[in-house]
Amino acid sequence: ETGVTQSPTHLIKTRGQQVTLRCSSQSGHNTVSWYQQALGQGPQFIFQYYREEENGRGNFPPRFSGLQFPNYSSELNVNALELDDSALYLCASSLASGRAYNEQFFGPGTRLTVL
Amino acid sequence: GNSVTQMEGPVTLSEEAFLTINCTYTATGYPSLFWYVQYPGEGLQLLLKATKADDKGSNKGFEATYRKETTSFHLEKGSVQVSDSAVYFCALSGYNTDKLIFGTGTRLQVFP
Repeated sequence: ETGVTQSPTHLIKTRGQQVTLRCSSQSGHNTVSWYQQALGQGPQFIFQYYREEENGRGNFPPRFSGLQFPNYSSELNVNALELDDSALYLCASSLASGRAYNEQFFGPGTRLTVL
Repeated sequence: GNSVTQMEGPVTLSEEAFLTINCTYTATGYPSLFWYVQYPGEGLQLLLKATKADDKGSNKGFEATYRKETTSFHLEKGSVQVSDSAVYFCALSGYNTDKLIFGTGTRLQVFP
């Protein structure tokens, strides 16, 4: 069973640029969630995708957008990068089962640095 | 809204000492509660969970009990090891959702 993978591992961008981060969900999972973890902080929920549609969004501006593909992998896109976007971006996959609790499995993250 | 508050770190202990990391929460309804661990350079790993009041989650010698009356989910371990050094996050997911709300994390440093 393959776990959650993310690419790239590290990324350096400058202010105003755009970035795309990628996530491959664990085999059999149909839901992907993205989290932003600033240095020294807990992860904050960005949004979730279920069967290729957005299924909930946290308090992030529209320049944070995403996609989920038919194979349930996902992308996180951030436009007009700001210095405060520097963080570890975590992807988590789960299998939605109609119950409230579905265990999420996290990838190792992508470290984004905005200069 | 829902929130999680953790004790600030770092927590510094000698090997074999007793560990407690406090976690309290604010939530409507009946949340599920979690402890995640993040080792240096790695992503988050689920350590233990509890999905209803009075449940006790346990794993690798760590325990936490879901206390609804005190809205707490404190993490404990009777005898820590150097390999337990990591950052520990308390988290909840609200009723009828699996989106996680995390605390700010507590760094644990264990010395031989």
